[in-house]
Amino acid sequence: GQNIDQPTEMTATEGAIVQINCTYQTSGFNGLFWYQQHAGEAPTFLSYNVLDGLEEKGRFSSFLSRSKGYSYLLLKELQMKDSASYLCAVTDSNYQLIWGAGTKLIIKP
Amino acid sequence: GAVVSQHPSRVICKSGTSVKIECRSLDFQATTMFWYRQFPKQSLMLMATSNEGSKATYEQGVEKDKFLINHASLTLSTLTVTSAHPEDSSFYICSARVGTGFYEQYFGPGTRLTVT
Repeated sequence: GQNIDQPTEMTATEGAIVQINCTYQTSGFNGLFWYQQHAGEAPTFLSYNVLDGLEEKGRFSSFLSRSKGYSYLLLKELQMKDSASYLCAVTDSNYQLIWGAGTKLIIKP
Repeated sequence: GAVVSQHPSRVICKSGTSVKIECRSLDFQATTMFWYRQFPKQSLMLMATSNEGSKATYEQGVEKDKFLINHASLTLSTLTVTSAHPEDSSFYICSARVGTGFYEQYFGPGTRLTVT
């Protein structure tokens, strides 16, 4: 079966750095997405990785290791507005998005 | 660019009635649209995939006669929840994609359905 695992909840302090991990087992791989979702709102796109390595975009970076079936999202200089759920999603061989359950990130002052 | 709208944003209906939710791609033509449902504190669950001009493909466990999907044009898809029941209360989100392969899915803002 297809499976994506990420922690259910994480807590971090404003101004700090947090890393949200995602491991996946899917039928084929055509890329991994990270989305941010605030409560009551639709997901918004953060990043896309299809090759191994680190993609940096401002305060957010995303890393992928295809051989390990592993990705992480790194958030630097945390702000209160970063409190949200972070969803990891993998595109399988049929280009269908397989979603993780999401990691709820709580930022404390 | 790449804006997807949904209407209505919130709807309350009585048990047994039907509700239609519209999903529009405002500035691009979406060959494929997706309908998701999300219950509180759970992840997105794909309900169906629809391609313009063809019948929707429903995920296992989703009743196609209850959740009617019409993708009549490259910019509009509708989801009709027929004979709604309180257990259908959920957050319904559509997304749209151009072409196949890697193309980012653009999400609508979602519709909160409450069935009383």
